[in-house]
Amino acid sequence: EPEVTQTPSHQVTQMGQEVILRCVPISNHLYFYWYRQILGQKVEFLVSFYNNEISEKSEIFDDQFSVERPDGSNFTLKIRSTKLEDSAMYFCASGRTGDGYTFGSGTRLTVV
Amino acid sequence: GNSVTQMEGPVTLSEEAFLTINCTYTATGYPSLFWYVQYPGEGLQLLLKATKADDKGSNKGFEATYRKETTSFHLEKGSVQVSDSAVYFCALRGSGNTGKLIFGQGTTLQVKP
Repeated sequence: EPEVTQTPSHQVTQMGQEVILRCVPISNHLYFYWYRQILGQKVEFLVSFYNNEISEKSEIFDDQFSVERPDGSNFTLKIRSTKLEDSAMYFCASGRTGDGYTFGSGTRLTVV
Repeated sequence: GNSVTQMEGPVTLSEEAFLTINCTYTATGYPSLFWYVQYPGEGLQLLLKATKADDKGSNKGFEATYRKETTSFHLEKGSVQVSDSAVYFCALRGSGNTGKLIFGQGTTLQVKP
């Protein structure tokens, strides 16, 4: 069964550093998403991406965040200057439509 | 705005017990409703979905019926197994077409042998 692949599975970074979280969506999918889950809390929407542009973003997704689909296969989330409160599990997801898409297994980001 | 409320956990059951996890929602228009499951150390997996009122989603012995009159989408299973131990998330997708999901806070299920 096709999978959404995320790398790395765990990343530790120092506060103020830039991080790039990588995702390889399922190949024929058109809709791409990033969510995050702070430990013990609910899963929160960050951003949706369709047709090479952001279609919706949450208030969490401020100027420190950006997304890119650089080569038609990868989908990346960049955090320019990490803060302690950015520590969370970040999930990438993709779908052929906007309904019932597939999540990756997540990248645990720890900011120290 | 749209929101999802789930029953508080953790829920602890013995194997073969009946499971209900309550989920209610607030939304404008006609949302689609989902249950996702997260096994320990893993990502979110779609368990079942329903896209219109009175639809019943079902998978792996789990089922949930989209009740518009009570704005509910309760998850049920007749006989749980130890392997069902996980966190269950109810979610909705609003009427817009961006696909954004709004999740409930998750309910931890622990099944004991």
